[in-house]
Amino acid sequence: LAKTTQPISMDSYEGQEVNITCSHNNIATNDYITWYQQFPSQGPRFIIQGYKTKVTNEVASLFIPADRKSSTLSLPRVSLSDTAVYYCLVGIKAAGNKLTFGGGTRVLVKP
Amino acid sequence: SAVISQKPSRDICQRGTSLTIQCQVDSQVTMMFWYRQQPGQSLTLIATANQGSEATYESGFVIDKFPISRPNLTFSTLTVSNMSPEDSSIYLCSCLLSGGNQETQYFGPGTRLLVL
Repeated sequence: LAKTTQPISMDSYEGQEVNITCSHNNIATNDYITWYQQFPSQGPRFIIQGYKTKVTNEVASLFIPADRKSSTLSLPRVSLSDTAVYYCLVGIKAAGNKLTFGGGTRVLVKP
Repeated sequence: SAVISQKPSRDICQRGTSLTIQCQVDSQVTMMFWYRQQPGQSLTLIATANQGSEATYESGFVIDKFPISRPNLTFSTLTVSNMSPEDSSIYLCSCLLSGGNQETQYFGPGTRLLVL
């Protein structure tokens, strides 16, 4: 399973865009990139998943360059409620999609 | 999506005892997973529990310590056996759902365990 590296923490302010970059230099051909969000005392919540280029949903955008050795989660116009830990995971999208959680990025949104 | 509930939500136990954590999913799923998360730390996968087969444990976790049941497609249990204070942690279950070209794991709220 490919290892991921993310910043330990990031601070932002309400209304700003937050971009979290994750490095996964040894990503395999069959690996997908998935991001989860975790609030205190809750289980992780799926945010977005992608394989290449750009994926966008109602919550976030995921940018993946051609070499796929990194990915950037973009949270537009964050609010205080976006304060959470964000995990980048890389794994095979198939039956048995074992997730290996790295350290995650603690995002603090300030008023 | 899937909604997962866990029981108990928290417990305080004496060392040497065992605790069984229940995980209920609101839809039928083939694959379920059990994780452990120390406060302030990331998640560590304990085992994969497929309905109809024995659970598959990750390195460092054994069946005698963490027996798992998977009696049907909506339910699983994890037992933490012969507990010690080092077992104090948050235990989470998750299930795998596939839809379109996407596979997603949905997590329960976790069970917070304190062993004295």
